[in-house]
Amino acid sequence: NAGVTQTPKFRILKIGQSMTLQCTQDMNHNYMYWYRQDPGMGLKLIYYSVGAGITDKGEVPNGYNVSRSTTEDFPLRLELAAPSQTSVYFCASTQGGIDNSPLHFGNGTRLTVT
Amino acid sequence: AQKVTQAQTEISVVEKEDVTLDCVYETRDTTYYLFWYKQPPSGELVFLIRRNSFDEQNEISGRYSWNFQKSTSSFNFTITASQVVDSAVYFCALSPGGATNKLIFGTGTLLAVQP
Repeated sequence: NAGVTQTPKFRILKIGQSMTLQCTQDMNHNYMYWYRQDPGMGLKLIYYSVGAGITDKGEVPNGYNVSRSTTEDFPLRLELAAPSQTSVYFCASTQGGIDNSPLHFGNGTRLTVT
Repeated sequence: AQKVTQAQTEISVVEKEDVTLDCVYETRDTTYYLFWYKQPPSGELVFLIRRNSFDEQNEISGRYSWNFQKSTSSFNFTITASQVVDSAVYFCALSPGGATNKLIFGTGTLLAVQP
């Protein structure tokens, strides 16, 4: 199994540009999450989804949007990129929610906004 | 406030030494979950352990052991006879009770094991 797959691995954006970070999982997990990891910091939750068609904000949602049209895919959209969005982004999934089963993480997307 | 503190930013040890990574958490919930994740140099995060607030039994898995003490709000992680492959950033995390789907991470401890 591939697990959680994120694309691209690296991206450089100019201020004001938009892009979509892709995340797909092949484990039929209901719960999916987007985190960002800033240097020297822990991960912070951006958005999460408990199933297809259902999304909710996390701790740092401003400047991002998500959709969950299928169980497998959970793309993260950045509109009008800003330098503050320079970070490493991780997508994760779990079957029964964080309390019930471990998170499976993708390998991350390193984004630089200049 | 809910918070996880990993006061050790970096630790360097020589192979075969034992090392303990500290984790102190804050929460007012009576039900909560604690986790440890490993982030090797390749970047992905790997789940190590999950512990609920009602289970204070210590756990051992090979060279890894965890000491959970509610009295001091700590969930420390010990690696016995460390190996170079243990070099990674280790994150402690807290999930508040109530199926909030929120995982609060500490800032991580970078462990460097020298050969």
